[in-house]
Amino acid sequence: DTEVTQTPKHLVMGMTNKKSLKCEQHMGHRAMYWYKQKAKKPPELMFVYSYEKLSINESVPSRFSPECPNSSLLNLHLHALQPEDSALYLCASSQASGAYGYTFGSGTRLTVV
Amino acid sequence: AQKVTQAQTEISVVEKEDVTLDCVYETRDTTYYLFWYKQPPSGELVFLIRRNSFDEQNEISGRYSWNFQKSTSSFNFTITASQVVDSAVYFCALSGVNTNAGKSTFGDGTTLTVKP
Repeated sequence: DTEVTQTPKHLVMGMTNKKSLKCEQHMGHRAMYWYKQKAKKPPELMFVYSYEKLSINESVPSRFSPECPNSSLLNLHLHALQPEDSALYLCASSQASGAYGYTFGSGTRLTVV
Repeated sequence: AQKVTQAQTEISVVEKEDVTLDCVYETRDTTYYLFWYKQPPSGELVFLIRRNSFDEQNEISGRYSWNFQKSTSSFNFTITASQVVDSAVYFCALSGVNTNAGKSTFGDGTTLTVKP
């Protein structure tokens, strides 16, 4: 199994809603990542979990809250988002150091209305 | 600091033409890794290749080939006999062992359009 699975694929939410994005991998990777990607831009790193602990937070606003319940799962909890948060949210995983490259999921296209 | 520059924003070719995507990088690390990813319109980023800084051998995989030159800090990607299915955004990325350890720096991407 060499996939990273993200759900949902599409999400429309209001600015007062609470929603969660989910990511799952079964490759035994010990590092997992959340990226945000706006149209025609490269992915921007948001968070890195290494061995289930948050190791990097790229100064992301607190309306985004990551969670890593176990080594296979990664969640991103969303609350009180703004329209400018609309983007493609990509989950990725890698062997611990990231030196072997990332396996990305197909992403969640989020629209905040 | 680390930086990846993909100077070509968009490239358009006709099917069966060869095309080269340029990537120039900057890093102070002596040990680092370079990557190419493909992002088709569906959105998923697909890993294509990894190179470490000590391995300057060029690599060929089918119609794809990569030329890594430390002397010019470049890691260029050539598609031979391009096909419509090659149309995508291609990102070059860099991971240093010491600088920004644990995360990759991406270039801005090159949008390749292959016309039939």
